[in-house]
Amino acid sequence: NAGVTQTPKFQVLKTGQSMTLQCAQDMNHEYMSWYRQDPGMGLRLIHYSVGAGITDQGEVPNGYNVSRSTTEDFPLRLLSAAPSQTSVYFCASSGGTGPRGYTFGSGTRLTVV
Amino acid sequence: DAKTTQPTSMDCAEGRAANLPCNHSTISGNEYVYWYRQIHSQGPQYIIHGLKNNETNEMASLIITEDRKSSTLILPHATLRDTAVYYCIVTNDRGSTLGRLYFGRGTQLTVWP
Repeated sequence: NAGVTQTPKFQVLKTGQSMTLQCAQDMNHEYMSWYRQDPGMGLRLIHYSVGAGITDQGEVPNGYNVSRSTTEDFPLRLLSAAPSQTSVYFCASSGGTGPRGYTFGSGTRLTVV
Repeated sequence: DAKTTQPTSMDCAEGRAANLPCNHSTISGNEYVYWYRQIHSQGPQYIIHGLKNNETNEMASLIITEDRKSSTLILPHATLRDTAVYYCIVTNDRGSTLGRLYFGRGTQLTVWP
């Protein structure tokens, strides 16, 4: 039981490049979400999903796309990377038991140069 | 979701109780108080939550004032491993279940030997 797995752990992109951050969970959780955390700040919600085929925007969705074709996977796509997207990205999942049930991944550290 | 106010930083001697306050004066009747912590840029970890009554688990105790406008997280015997950023989150259970946890900047707790 791996929990929430995020890949890659580290990534450097050039401005304008696109990439996909992967998130997978093996707990059969319905709810999944993506957060970003800038230095010295708390986590901010980017996008979230309440089940396969259903996604919605969070606080800071601009510049990111998501899709949820399976229960297990919730990839985050950066369309055209900008230095302002340099951050640590966390994926989380929940089985619907409320915040107590949230499991977070270990994060992807992204630098855009 | 109601806003929360926490001190930026606190410190505590190892073995002593750490008392972390949180103000949430605009909390509504159906909103819970949740506490998470984040150790050294890892993914956040759930600690405890409550609605009206005081709560205790193996990690901590949560004291909520009678008017519910503030609360205190208590780590009864702090260890060096408790050094982390602690987040107080107020949310209704449905909103949080839908993946919308809103984090502030939290309190940096430093436990010293």
